[in-house]
Amino acid sequence: DTAVSQTPKYLVTQMGNDKSIKCEQNLGHDTMYWYKQDSKKFLKIMFSYNNKELIINETVPNRFSPKSPDKAHLNLHINSLELGDSAVYFCASATSGRYNEQFFGPGTRLTVL
Amino acid sequence: KNQVEQSPQSLIILEGKNCTLQCNYTVSPFSNLRWYKQDTGRGPVSLTIMTFSENTKSNGRYTATLDADTKQSSLHITASQLSDSASYICVVSGGGGSQGNLIFGKGTKLSVKP
Repeated sequence: DTAVSQTPKYLVTQMGNDKSIKCEQNLGHDTMYWYKQDSKKFLKIMFSYNNKELIINETVPNRFSPKSPDKAHLNLHINSLELGDSAVYFCASATSGRYNEQFFGPGTRLTVL
Repeated sequence: KNQVEQSPQSLIILEGKNCTLQCNYTVSPFSNLRWYKQDTGRGPVSLTIMTFSENTKSNGRYTATLDADTKQSSLHITASQLSDSASYICVVSGGGGSQGNLIFGKGTKLSVKP
């Protein structure tokens, strides 16, 4: 009954590689997000996306790209990985309307060597 | 500049005691304020969401307050339990539709000791 799931949970890779993290939600939400949590535990929003609109945080390098095959999925593709990309990446989905309550996935710990 | 400041950065309390975490923000316009609990190695979980007109909201032993005039919020935990050990994150939404403009605090790390 996992509401928001991510795969893989851990990802270790070499600098320069391209990798993807998958996210799926079964809540029927229209909006999904990707967040990065650095070593200091600070959460930063990277993207928000619904069927109609992609909003990109301007500080996110263009090596990062969200890809949504359908409303229930928002995958994160990262090109040319760098050491500084090492972090925990969280996917979330949200209700629409007044509260826009977000439900987070369990996170993917990415380590770039 | 839109900012959310939380205090203290970390806190250690004994099991059974109460505690209060603080959140000050300068986000404008203001839509709502949320408190999340994040256990180690897991994603954040929503505790409360309050809009401008809501002064207090409870979720079990968690009670959040909001003073929109002074732009301050607090999260009060009553009769703490070991399972309350986690990071508590204050997030302010600056409006802007369903995507909003979410400004995150850096969190308060709470440790509850037996």
